Amino acid sequence: EDKVVQSPLSLVVHEGDTVTLNCSYEVTNFRSLLWYKQEKKAPTFLFMLTSSGIEKKSGRLSSILDKKELFSILNITATQTGDSAVYLCAVVRNLLSGAGSYQLTFGKGTKLSVIP
Amino acid sequence: SAVISQKPSRDICQRGTSLTIQCQVDSQVTMMFWYRQQPGQSLTLIATANQGSEATYESGFVIDKFPISRPNLTFSTLTVSNMSPEDSSIYLCSVRPGFGGYTFGSGTRLTVV
Repeated sequence: EDKVVQSPLSLVVHEGDTVTLNCSYEVTNFRSLLWYKQEKKAPTFLFMLTSSGIEKKSGRLSSILDKKELFSILNITATQTGDSAVYLCAVVRNLLSGAGSYQLTFGKGTKLSVIP
Repeated sequence: SAVISQKPSRDICQRGTSLTIQCQVDSQVTMMFWYRQQPGQSLTLIATANQGSEATYESGFVIDKFPISRPNLTFSTLTVSNMSPEDSSIYLCSVRPGFGGYTFGSGTRLTVV
């Protein structure tokens, strides 16, 4: 059974701190790993990672994938109160049923709270 | 990336009734996905909706409880039937517009009383 485990489940930091969120996975036919930010209801896409060791960066956020050790990290530097959200990791795997068929498995998320 | 309009945004429903959630995408997509997120839990895939064919349901979800329509390549509905308080969740539709990450609708927060 596919597994995606995120840690920590929750985290409280002060503005300006740097945080690292973790995502480990066990899936067959791995295709890619996705990071999302969920503030209210709708997850907002952050990064898609397919290759090991290549950092994706967007402003203060960055992420990297290790396909050998089966994990990814999401870093947020100089955190702001607007970074408070649940951060979701999802792993996409290829289904054998047909070309272009994929399945997502989500982790439970890390709830980040940034206090002034 | 695609833009998805999902409605209603939220609803409070009586047990035993049904609610239909709609998603409209601003571009044509082959597959649309419906997810449920129960309080404090992660997203769980309910079903995949292809235009012109029956939806494919995941283990634990059945068509009688969650009928889905997909009349064209830009629109889909999910109905939550004969609701009970256990159905209180956020429901989300999603698409994968080409290469890249999946895009989600704005979500429907359902409370069953």
